[in-house]
Amino acid sequence: QVTLRESGPALVKPTQTLTLTCTFSGFSLSTSGICVSWIRQPPGKALEWLARIDWDDDKYYTTSLKTRLTISKDTSKNQVVLTMTNMDPVDTATYYCARHDYRDYGPMDVWGQGTTVTVSS
Amino acid sequence: DVVMTQTPLSSPVTLGQPASISCRSSQSLVHSDGNTYLSWLQQRPGQPPRLLIYKISNRFSGVPDRFSGSGAGTDFTLKISRVEAEDVGVYYCMQATQFPHTFGQGTKLEIK
Repeated sequence: QVTLRESGPALVKPTQTLTLTCTFSGFSLSTSGICVSWIRQPPGKALEWLARIDWDDDKYYTTSLKTRLTISKDTSKNQVVLTMTNMDPVDTATYYCARHDYRDYGPMDVWGQGTTVTVSS
Repeated sequence: DVVMTQTPLSSPVTLGQPASISCRSSQSLVHSDGNTYLSWLQQRPGQPPRLLIYKISNRFSGVPDRFSGSGAGTDFTLKISRVEAEDVGVYYCMQATQFPHTFGQGTKLEIK
């Protein structure tokens, strides 16, 4: 069974750096065709894709946040970490991670439950 | 960036009646590998998104057959043949052909 779980601080102050961890099971990020993305959703708003890391360590970022995001993986721990610098109240959102499996279904076939982050002083 | 435009943004539907959501992309979604990575997601209230349809028209595991996807190039459609109460929520189209991946604005499906 494939599962993903997001974790991180519920509250961060403006200008701080946010670090989120996606811990997964049921697949390996060293398997060809497997990727993990981070997506966020501000309260009452639409989904926004943030970043993706692939099995071969290729990394991709959304255009508007490229300078603030870093995605990395620890294959031995089955984790993907996203850091976002210089947090602002507009970054308040639920943050999700999701798997891609290009051997079969393609993008974002399984999602985590999400973790809510509030940016406030 | 590829812009995904959904219509309508809100869809009140009578139980048992069909529903249809359109999604248009600002560029072709045909990937160099020949696939079109256009997916439909459902987000029920208070829940994370869930994959319904992948590569335009393929139902994901466990998705009822009342859901169907169609389209090509830049125009895509999600259809629900007979809406049930559990279908209430927001539906998103999403493209993963190009970077950055992008979502539509979402269509809220509600029962009349």
